[in-house]
Amino acid sequence: DQQVKQNSPSLSVQEGRISILNCDYTNSMFDYFLWYKKYPAEGPTFLISISSIKDKNEDGRFTVFLNKSAKHLSLHIVPSQPGDSAVYFCAASGANTGNQFYFGTGTSLTVIP
Amino acid sequence: EPEVTQTPSHQVTQMGQEVILRCVPISNHLYFYWYRQILGQKVEFLVSFYNNEISEKSEIFDDQFSVERPDGSNFTLKIRSTKLEDSAMYFCASSLLTSGRDEQFFGPGTRLTVL
Repeated sequence: DQQVKQNSPSLSVQEGRISILNCDYTNSMFDYFLWYKKYPAEGPTFLISISSIKDKNEDGRFTVFLNKSAKHLSLHIVPSQPGDSAVYFCAASGANTGNQFYFGTGTSLTVIP
Repeated sequence: EPEVTQTPSHQVTQMGQEVILRCVPISNHLYFYWYRQILGQKVEFLVSFYNNEISEKSEIFDDQFSVERPDGSNFTLKIRSTKLEDSAMYFCASSLLTSGRDEQFFGPGTRLTVL
């Protein structure tokens, strides 16, 4: 039961360009979404979040866009830097999911210098 | 900056043995969680813990699993009789407020290998 999907397992981008990571979800009750970043041998680190009352949230180089009608969110990183190379997970929760975050399978981003 | 810590970083055990994975959540956090990630798969919720009791658990968290907060700082996950399919990264997390609306801080994980 894959409620949160990240269909691109990997992405390569040139340094300075935009990285766009995508995430789709199926549960219409999800109303809070987060992006986590994970380096090898480390736990996931919170990056940015968005609630369903907004369609955009921006924090420095990171912007998350939410399209509720399409059940789709994306993370934009501009400009991409080599240190952004990591695995990015989107996660979602909602009024009917209690304490659980549902994670996607992750997208491995490589930023090429 | 406060962080969640986990020990050991890697645990190797024989099938059928008991393992205890340890976590020290961030000191002023009230909610604690265990997640696992089987290699190549998604991060999966196991259990959440608040006020010294389980507040929620997933289907994965069967009778073989238990959690405990034995003192004011540690939070443990016990697997009574490990199976091969328990091999995974186990992440502990904590949050200040109730989950679902609050950022969860993750530890570095314990890699459990069951032989």
